[in-house]
Formats: sequence, structure tokens, C-alpha cells
Amino acid sequence: DAKTTQPTSMDCAEGRAANLPCNHSTISGNEYVYWYRQIHSQGPQYIIHGLKNNETNEMASLIITEDRKSSTLILPHATLRDTAVYYCIANRDDKIIFGKGTRLHILP
Amino acid sequence: GAVVSQHPSWVICKSGTSVKIECRSLDFQATTMFWYRQFPKQSLMLMATSNEGSKATYEQGVEKDKFLINHASLTLSTLTVTSAHPEDSSFYICSVNRRNEKLFFGSGTQLSVL
Repeated sequence: DAKTTQPTSMDCAEGRAANLPCNHSTISGNEYVYWYRQIHSQGPQYIIHGLKNNETNEMASLIITEDRKSSTLILPHATLRDTAVYYCIANRDDKIIFGKGTRLHILP
Repeated sequence: GAVVSQHPSWVICKSGTSVKIECRSLDFQATTMFWYRQFPKQSLMLMATSNEGSKATYEQGVEKDKFLINHASLTLSTLTVTSAHPEDSSFYICSVNRRNEKLFFGSGTQLSVL
């Protein structure tokens, strides 16, 4: 798995878009970018994943740069329930190694 | 609805006893499941890969005799913490990969060893 780098923590005002960056400069061509989040004392929850193209689902959008060396997870309208640790993972098989993630605080 | 069921949600046991944690894939036959542990304020650490019908593959530094994994069917993997000690107290989480899809995680088991 390619190494990923994320900020340790971020704050976002409730109702605003939360933009979480991730650097994966050593990503290989067949590695996907996955995003998961973990709310305190729960199992991680899948958010979104992508290979080259930008992706959007009911939870979030994923913007991957053209060179694939970085990506941004966008939560369009953050709510207090989005407070969690967000993990960005670059991976090509089903064994996922978690980094330290970004602790996102949504401020009322 | 839930794809992975993990039981129990929490367990308290005395030092020296063994504890079994179950992970069930509810709507998918999983040949592979994964076990993680997580200490407070830390990230998830992969412990082992559970393989149906064969021995589990353990990550470096994880004691296979301490953490027994059994994957006897395509829908059930169990993790047994043998002779538990206070330092084994942790949050244990299992996951299942649905082919060509993302991982689904159980809700986790909080183990407290007294």
C-alpha cells in the first residue's frame, strides 16, 4: 500500500463544506484511493473510493488530482454527526492498513 | 442494514481467562476476513487475515498462540484471546471484503481485562 499523509486534525463550521486533504505521492497505477471514517467507539464506515476520476455519492465527493498524487474528500454540508476520524487509504487489495487519519471537529 | 455482525459488543473478564469474539458476514460468503485492534486515541492496527478453511495469516509482532483465529465457515470467523491479561484490553474490530467492493466493518468489541 502507498503511504498516505493527512493533517492530524481539522475544524469545520456546521453547515459548511469540509474539505479533507490527503497526499499519496507514491501511489501506483492500480491502487485505489479509499476514504473511511470512524466515529468514537464504533467500527469504521466506508465513505467513498476512486481510481482516477472524481466520484460522488450520497455521503461525499472525492476529488483526485490528475497525477493521482493527492486527493480531497468533500463533505458538502457538514453536520455535528460528521465529527469523526477520517482515514485516507491507497490500496490495491482487500487488506487495508490504516494510517493515523484526520480528526475532524464540526463546530456548532 | 448491517453487513457484518460482531459479538459481543463489550466484555469484561478476569486475568487468565480466555475470551471469544465472533464476526459474522450476514449477506456474503467471505473467504477472507480481517481482525484489527485499536488502543485509545490510536489508529486501527491489523492483527491478522482470517482465511476460510486454512490457517490465519498474522501480521508481524502478533502472537498467533495468544490470538487464536478460526474461520470454519464462509460466514463466521472467531478470535479467541487466550489467557487474557490487562495489556490485552483493547477495542477489537473485524472486517469483511465483498469481492470488488469496499471493506465492511463490524461494530467492534471492547475488551476489558481485570
